[in-house]
Amino acid sequence: DAKTTQPPSMDCAEGRAANLPCNHSTISGNEYVYWYRQIHSQGPQYIIHGLKNNETNEMASLIITEDRKSSTLILPHATLRDTAVYYCIVRVSANNAGNMLTFGGGTRLMVKP
Amino acid sequence: GAGVSQSPSNKVTEKGKDVELRCDPISGHTALYWYRQSLGQGLEFLIYFQGNSAPDKSGLPSDRFSAERTGGSVSTLTIQRTQQEDSAVYLCASSEYYEQYFGPGTRLTVT
Repeated sequence: DAKTTQPPSMDCAEGRAANLPCNHSTISGNEYVYWYRQIHSQGPQYIIHGLKNNETNEMASLIITEDRKSSTLILPHATLRDTAVYYCIVRVSANNAGNMLTFGGGTRLMVKP
Repeated sequence: GAGVSQSPSNKVTEKGKDVELRCDPISGHTALYWYRQSLGQGLEFLIYFQGNSAPDKSGLPSDRFSAERTGGSVSTLTIQRTQQEDSAVYLCASSEYYEQYFGPGTRLTVT
C-alpha cells in the first residue's frame, strides 16, 4: 500500500469547517483513499473512502485532486465530539479480502469551543 | 443494531501467565481482524479470518500468539506466557465489504 503523509496536529473552532489534508504522491491507479478516525479510548471508526471522484456522506466530504496525489477530508461543521486522531490510508481495493488496515501517525484534530 | 463487542474490557495479568481475549463480530460479517495498538502508536495487524478459509497469520509477532474463530463467528485471541511488551490495546474488527467495524478493544496490562 502507498504511504501517506499527514500533519501531526490541527486545531479547529467549533462550528467551523475542519479541512484535513493528506499527501499520497505514490498512489497507484487501483488504490482507494480511505479515512478513519479514532476518538480517545475507542476503536477506529470508518468515515469515508473514494477512488478519484469527490465523495460526500453524512459524516464528511472527501476531495481528491485530479492527479490523485493528495486529498482533503472536510468536516463541514466541526463539533467537540469530532476531536480525534484522523487517519488517511490508501488501499489496493474496496473489497475486504485480506485488506488489513495499517495506520500511521494520523492528524490529531482538536476542536475548541 | 449490535456492533462488535470484546471482552474483557480490561485485563491485568502477571508476566508468564496465559490470557484469552474474546471478540463477538457483527452477525453475518465474514471477515474478522485482530489488531493491537500500543500507547500512542498506530494500528498493528495481527491475524485475519475470512469465512472458512485458512487464516492469515502473517502479523502474529511470535508463536506465543494464536487465534481461533469458531463457527465463523466468535473469535478468541490467546497469548501464552505473556511478556511486558505484550501490554497494549487489542482491537477486533469485522467486515462484510469495504468498511471495517471495530470493537472497543481490550486493554491488556502485563505486570
